[in-house]
Amino acid sequence: GQQVMQIPQYQHVQEGEDFTTYCNSSTTLSNIQWYKQRPGGHPVFLIQLVKSGEVKKQKRLTFQFGEAKKNSSLHITATQTTDVGTYFCAGSNSGYALNFGKGTSLLVTP
Amino acid sequence: DTEVTQTPKHLVMGMTNKKSLKCEQHMGHRAMYWYKQKAKKPPELMFVYSYEKLSINESVPSRFSPECPNSSLLNLHLHALQPEDSALYLCASSQFGGSYNEQFFGPGTRLTVL
Repeated sequence: GQQVMQIPQYQHVQEGEDFTTYCNSSTTLSNIQWYKQRPGGHPVFLIQLVKSGEVKKQKRLTFQFGEAKKNSSLHITATQTTDVGTYFCAGSNSGYALNFGKGTSLLVTP
Repeated sequence: DTEVTQTPKHLVMGMTNKKSLKCEQHMGHRAMYWYKQKAKKPPELMFVYSYEKLSINESVPSRFSPECPNSSLLNLHLHALQPEDSALYLCASSQFGGSYNEQFFGPGTRLTVL
């Protein structure tokens, strides 16, 4: 089935630094969602992107969907220790089911 | 109530045992999901129920048997599991099926097969 590739696998930053994770698909996506999973927790929905070139912001988090709807990114400005966790993108090319990327684990040291 | 609950939180079972995982939501969602998640891996879709009917089975072995008794409940019956089936089993629900709906995940059942 369709695969969503996500990089980097791990990222370790100092508190206050920025962080970005990227997702890429070989096929055009109908939509992409982003989830955050804290250590020992379960995935929690962050946002959905549907339109080509869409940009959405949630406080320090900025989400983008590429013009070709084949890539997406999540950027966190001035990371905090509360941002620690694994960030997953999940895309679909059918509108039928989501395929999760492998996730980016973010570690923030104070 | 915006919560998905799962029981039990932890389960240890032998390869000859039969056990069931339970999931419940009271958000009026019409789609419910079972995922399997291994350590440091993404959730892997197993089954999707839409309007209480099985709509997706991702080629899951028959030792896993899902059941949706009503729109609020989802069970996963386990029989003759293998040690490699040890994982976190996540239940999720969404307002409707399809990829456009936000999924609400439960806390999961951590399963160990001995």
